[in-house]
Amino acid sequence: GNSVTQMEGPVTLSEEAFLTINCTYTATGYPSLFWYVQYPGEGLQLLLKATKADDKGSNKGFEATYRKETTSFHLEKGSVQVSDSAVYFCALGSTGNQFYFGTGTSLTVIP
Amino acid sequence: GAVVSQHPSWVICKSGTSVKIECRSLDFQATTMFWYRQFPKQSLMLMATSNEGSKATYEQGVEKDKFLINHASLTLSTLTVTSAHPEDSSFYICSARVEGNTGELFFGEGSRLTVL
Repeated sequence: GNSVTQMEGPVTLSEEAFLTINCTYTATGYPSLFWYVQYPGEGLQLLLKATKADDKGSNKGFEATYRKETTSFHLEKGSVQVSDSAVYFCALGSTGNQFYFGTGTSLTVIP
Repeated sequence: GAVVSQHPSWVICKSGTSVKIECRSLDFQATTMFWYRQFPKQSLMLMATSNEGSKATYEQGVEKDKFLINHASLTLSTLTVTSAHPEDSSFYICSARVEGNTGELFFGEGSRLTVL
C-alpha cells in the first residue's frame, strides 16, 4: 500500500542554518510527491511538488528531489529564516484522488 | 493556483447545537472535495470524500450521522457537525483537486470549531 514516513520534530534551528526534513514513502504505481507548509492557525499551502522520478521541486529556496531508488523526497533549504517557522507535511498523491500525508514536522527558526 | 475558501474560519458553539462549515472552490469546479480533521500538533486525518451529486464516502471510524456532508454543486461542499460536543472541538480543513491537474490538493484556510 501507500504510506509516507516523515522525520519527527520538533526541529529548532538558528537563522541561516541548513535545513533537512527527511521523507520516505512506499507506493504502488507512480505517485506524485508534495511538500505542504502550514503556518499557525492556517490551512495547508503547497510548497513544492515533483511528479516523476528525478524531478526536483523548488520554491522559496526550498528544494526536494524525487528519488525512486531510495523512495525519498527530502526537503532542504540552504539558509532558513525566522519566517520559515511552520509545520511541514510530506505527501503522496496517487491515482483515484488518494492522498497520504506524513505526520508533519514542526520547524522553529530562532534569530 | 486554484483557490479554495472555507467559512467560517472559527466558530464557538454550545454543546448540543449543530454547526455548518462551507467549503467553496472559487475559480474551478470540483467534483470531489475532501474533509480533514486536525488535532493540535498532529497530522491531518481524512474524514470523508465529498462527491458532487452523490453520497460522501466516509473513512473508517468516522460517524456519518455525526458529520453530515453535502456536495450539492460543483463549487460547494458543506460539513455539518450535528449535536456537537466538546470532543468535536478541532480544526477542520477542506481540500479539492483540480481535474486534469498534476495532482496537488488545494486547501481551504481551515475552520476552528470550539464546542463549550
